[in-house]
Amino acid sequence: DTAVSQTPKYLVTQMGNDKSIKCEQNLGHDTMYWYKQDSKKFLKIMFSYNNKELIINETVPNRFSPKSPDKAHLNLHINSLELGDSAVYFCASRQSEETQYFGPGTRLLVL
Amino acid sequence: GQQVMQIPQYQHVQEGEDFTTYCNSSTTLSNIQWYKQRPGGHPVFLIQLVKSGEVKKQKRLTFQFGEAKKNSSLHITATQTTDVGTYFCAGRRGSTLGRLYFGRGTQLTVWP
Repeated sequence: DTAVSQTPKYLVTQMGNDKSIKCEQNLGHDTMYWYKQDSKKFLKIMFSYNNKELIINETVPNRFSPKSPDKAHLNLHINSLELGDSAVYFCASRQSEETQYFGPGTRLLVL
Repeated sequence: GQQVMQIPQYQHVQEGEDFTTYCNSSTTLSNIQWYKQRPGGHPVFLIQLVKSGEVKKQKRLTFQFGEAKKNSSLHITATQTTDVGTYFCAGRRGSTLGRLYFGRGTQLTVWP
């Protein structure tokens, strides 16, 4: 069974559209993250939730809104998509000092 | 600003050559983790170092954590084409809820 899953795997959309990416982990972890990876492979943390509570909110446009309905899920909604939003978005989860487990990524292309 | 610096950004080697990537933090880290991301894949955990001066080995990979717990290195002996990918270090400061500060990664290319 996949530990951290994301949907969709690929997302191609027009500028100005609104889209959502979903993430689920079946590891029982308390903490979940969203990262953005640009074309140069730089991994930039966007948000972190611990037990459904937002604990990290980096400098991210407010067009990005995370939602955690329960501690196993962390979704990312993006309003008014822009060309610069094109990237790979990774969800990850961890438990205390343990390793971080990454999902397979969602490849977003904004045209 | 960038909390964990990682160099080099790119490294091209011939199969059989050695490879090293270095990470440096401006502040003391509680631990440091290393991840590998294959082309088209996602970052996968390799190892965690916690103690000052710690050295760990995984086959041809040697990981070191500096005495001051501010720097770390990953050394691959006799690279193989399967080593291709991006290697990230990620340091944690303070509490267990503390975030991981990822380096920018080193993209390794291995020519056969």
